[in-house]
Amino acid sequence: EAGVVQSPRYKIIEKKQPVAFWCNPISGHNTLYWYRQNLGQGPELLIRYENEEAVDDSQLPKDRFSAERLKGVDSTLKIQPAELGDSAVYLCASSQQGNLNTEAFFGQGTRLTVV
Amino acid sequence: AQKVTQAQTEISVVEKEDVTLDCVYETRDTTYYLFWYKQPPSGELVFLIRRNSFDEQNEISGRYSWNFQKSTSSFNFTITASQVVDSAVYFCALSEGANDMRFGAGTRLTVKP
Repeated sequence: EAGVVQSPRYKIIEKKQPVAFWCNPISGHNTLYWYRQNLGQGPELLIRYENEEAVDDSQLPKDRFSAERLKGVDSTLKIQPAELGDSAVYLCASSQQGNLNTEAFFGQGTRLTVV
Repeated sequence: AQKVTQAQTEISVVEKEDVTLDCVYETRDTTYYLFWYKQPPSGELVFLIRRNSFDEQNEISGRYSWNFQKSTSSFNFTITASQVVDSAVYFCALSEGANDMRFGAGTRLTVKP
């Protein structure tokens, strides 16, 4: 069974340009997460979806970041415009349900470099 | 507010040595879950274990073991007879209440042949 799939793996863009990341969760997982991982740090939650509903986006910088999960399956995370400080690895994860006791399965991430 | 501290930034051992990775957490809730994840160079976080706050039994899985002590708010991870393939960054994480997993800063483990 395929795991969480993310694309692209790497992205280099100039500041002020837009960028988008795509995530395909594990089949049957209705909870989807986007995390940002800065160099040398642990992942930090940006947004969590239960099906197509964003139930926790308190950490998402809404002035430049947006996310969608229109059909409750795939999701995209967008940054517009990107800033130098956005350079990080963006991780997508999914789980069967959004309870405390369910482990999340992670994709390999998209490494974003803003120059 | 919940918080996870992994005081060891980097650890280096020689193959076959035992190594313990420390994790200390803070929470006001009585119901919470603790996790350990492994992040190899490929970047994908791999789930290792989940523990709920009501189960303080230690767990052993092959060369891996976990020691959960509520009295000291610690959830330490020991690798016995380490191998080169164990080299990775290891993250401890905490979930409580309505909050999602909060990760520690991670411990980079290097196992030398």
